[in-house]
Amino acid sequence: AQTVTQSQPEMSVQEAETVTLSCTYDTSESDYYLFWYKQPPSRQMILVIRQEAYKQQNATENRFSVNFQKAAKSFSLKISDSQLGDAAMYFCAYRSENTGTASKLTFGTGTRLQVTL
Amino acid sequence: DAGITQSPRHKVTETGTPVTLRCHQTENHRYMYWYRQDPGHGLRLIHYSYGVKDTDKGEVSDGYSVSRSKTEDFLLTLESATSSQTSVYFCAISRGQGLRAFFGQGTRLTVV
Repeated sequence: AQTVTQSQPEMSVQEAETVTLSCTYDTSESDYYLFWYKQPPSRQMILVIRQEAYKQQNATENRFSVNFQKAAKSFSLKISDSQLGDAAMYFCAYRSENTGTASKLTFGTGTRLQVTL
Repeated sequence: DAGITQSPRHKVTETGTPVTLRCHQTENHRYMYWYRQDPGHGLRLIHYSYGVKDTDKGEVSDGYSVSRSKTEDFLLTLESATSSQTSVYFCAISRGQGLRAFFGQGTRLTVV
């Protein structure tokens, strides 16, 4: 079974600065997807970014980018120019390609990001 | 917005009572999922469905049953609620490239 580990329960960043959230995972598979989800106080789960394991290029979405290190099984999220609205819980998630067309996700325990003025 | 509605949004129930949570989707997605969210565990998959009357277990299915008699509705039932089932429950669908998962707004269930 796959496991996802987020070793930082809480992080803090000043507005306009850059912060990196860590995620490592354990799998014996070669094909999979990785995701970062944001959960603000509203409780809504919002997809931030997605990475396919077969792609060497790191995914980017505006101020959000990832550092995907397949050999090290590491998938960190970098948030640039942090904004107050980025304050939330962030979850790293793994999806095996071997589940066929079912998108069953394995989540980490989350990192709570605080953004200060 | 993936057209997912969960009901109720909040519920308090007593130990031993049956509880049913409803997930309704408006976009005819084949796959639907139920997760629970607990501090220190993130989200964990309870059950999922890959079509009408087609369901399968997830990681934490004990104590839960599901039903899907129509494409748009996926029901999660706690036959006899226990305090350990106090949690926030999320419904999700998957769609699009890479079958990305999109979540409903969650149901906070408290079992007293």
